[in-house]
Amino acid sequence: SYVLTQPPSVSVAPGQTARITCGAANLGTNSVHWFQQKPGQAPVLVVYDDRDRPSGIPERFSGSNSGNTATLTISRVEAGDEADYYCQVWDRSRDHRVFGGGTKLTVL
Amino acid sequence: QVQLQESGPGLVKPSETLSLTCTVSGDSINNYYWSWIRQPPGKGLEWIGYIHYSGFTNYNPSLKSRGTISLDTSKNQFSLKLSSVTAADTAVYYCAREGGLTSAPYFEFWGQGTLVTVSS
Repeated sequence: SYVLTQPPSVSVAPGQTARITCGAANLGTNSVHWFQQKPGQAPVLVVYDDRDRPSGIPERFSGSNSGNTATLTISRVEAGDEADYYCQVWDRSRDHRVFGGGTKLTVL
Repeated sequence: QVQLQESGPGLVKPSETLSLTCTVSGDSINNYYWSWIRQPPGKGLEWIGYIHYSGFTNYNPSLKSRGTISLDTSKNQFSLKLSSVTAADTAVYYCAREGGLTSAPYFEFWGQGTLVTVSS
C-alpha cells in the first residue's frame, strides 16, 4: 500500500521559512495535496495539485514536488500558522486516498 | 458555499454498529465524490471510504469490510455504517466533498467533525 512519510515535527521562528516534507518512492509522478489542521478544528486544504492554492489561502503557502519528495513551504511564518500539516495523495492503482502521518509545526 | 454537517450518536457500545449521517447544503449530492475520514484522539487522519453520486463505493481495506457508505439523494445526505466496533474505532469522524474531478482527488470541503466514543 502507498505510504507517505512526514517528519513528526518542525520548528521555526516567526518571520522565517518553514519547510515540511512528504516522502514516498516516485512521489513526483503523483499530485500531492496539503492540509492544515489547528487544534479542535477540521482540516483545511492549503495546497492542491502540488502547488495550487485554494482561494483565500495566503501566497505565503506554496508547494513543490519532485523525485521522492514533496515540500510545503510557508514563508514569513506567523504564530497563527502553528498547526498540524498533512500531505495526501491518490493511490490511482486502487483508487484510494492516502494521508501522511502529519507534521506538527511549532512557531518558536 | 458548500457546507457539510455530521450527525449521529456520540457513544457506541463495543460490537455494535456505528451510524453517522452527513447532511450537505449549498450543493447537490448528485455530483462529486463524498468521503468519510476519521481521526483517533491525538493521531493522524485516516480515509475510510467514498461514495460516488452514481452509488459506486470504495473503502480503505484497513476497515476489513466493516464499513458501508450509502446515499440518500432525496435528503441530500450520505451515511456511514461501521459494524463490530471496538475501542480502536473511537475517533472524530469527518465527512468531506472531494475536488479534483479532472485530476487527483483531494478533500475540498469538510464537515466540522463529530466525536464517536466506543465504550460500554
